[in-house]
Amino acid sequence: KAGVTQTPRYLIKTRGQQVTLSCSPISGHRSVSWYQQTPGQGLQFLFEYFSETQRNKGNFPGRFSGRQFSNSRSEMNVSTLELGDSALYLCASSLDAGYTPQETQYFGPGTRLLVL
Amino acid sequence: GQSLEQPSEVTAVEGAIVQINCTYQTSGFYGLSWYQQHDGGAPTFLSYNALDGLEETGRFSSFLSRSDSYGYLLLQELQMKDSASYFCAVRAITGGGNKLTFGTGTQLKVEL
Repeated sequence: KAGVTQTPRYLIKTRGQQVTLSCSPISGHRSVSWYQQTPGQGLQFLFEYFSETQRNKGNFPGRFSGRQFSNSRSEMNVSTLELGDSALYLCASSLDAGYTPQETQYFGPGTRLLVL
Repeated sequence: GQSLEQPSEVTAVEGAIVQINCTYQTSGFYGLSWYQQHDGGAPTFLSYNALDGLEETGRFSSFLSRSDSYGYLLLQELQMKDSASYFCAVRAITGGGNKLTFGTGTQLKVEL
């Protein structure tokens, strides 16, 4: 079974631009979560989607948004990019975002975004 | 909110045993997970504890004490390939759904 895939793998943008990142979860997985990873802040939760609905949201400004499609693929968008948005953006999928306690999240390779 | 604390760096020699501690503060606690991340790679799942006690998976074991809000990851028979960052993560149910809050990570260096 193919793992979580993310596109693009690397991206360079300038301040003020907007960017869209894509994530394809493992086949059959319905939950997709997004994380931002930076050297200073570590892994920080952005949001989680399940059945095309946002289930949870982290403490990020409204410039960060996402959506999930009927095939569980997800996109996240960052508008009006700032230098501090430079980070590795990781997507993780899991089988079910319900109340299953031993649910494992499987991470994709990430998209490395550099904002100049 | 949730917060986790773990040491930033640990160094050990090949063949040794190392313990990486994690203390957490959270509401709606469901379980503690551990992930490994090599430089340039994605985090990969190692273990999960929802109940007090020790879980063993090969050379890796993880422990949880819910009353102490404390857990640890134990790595035995260290190998050079174990050099990586290790993250503890709290699974909490907040407003429904699935949310993982990660610690800042412990960089493990395995030396000859």
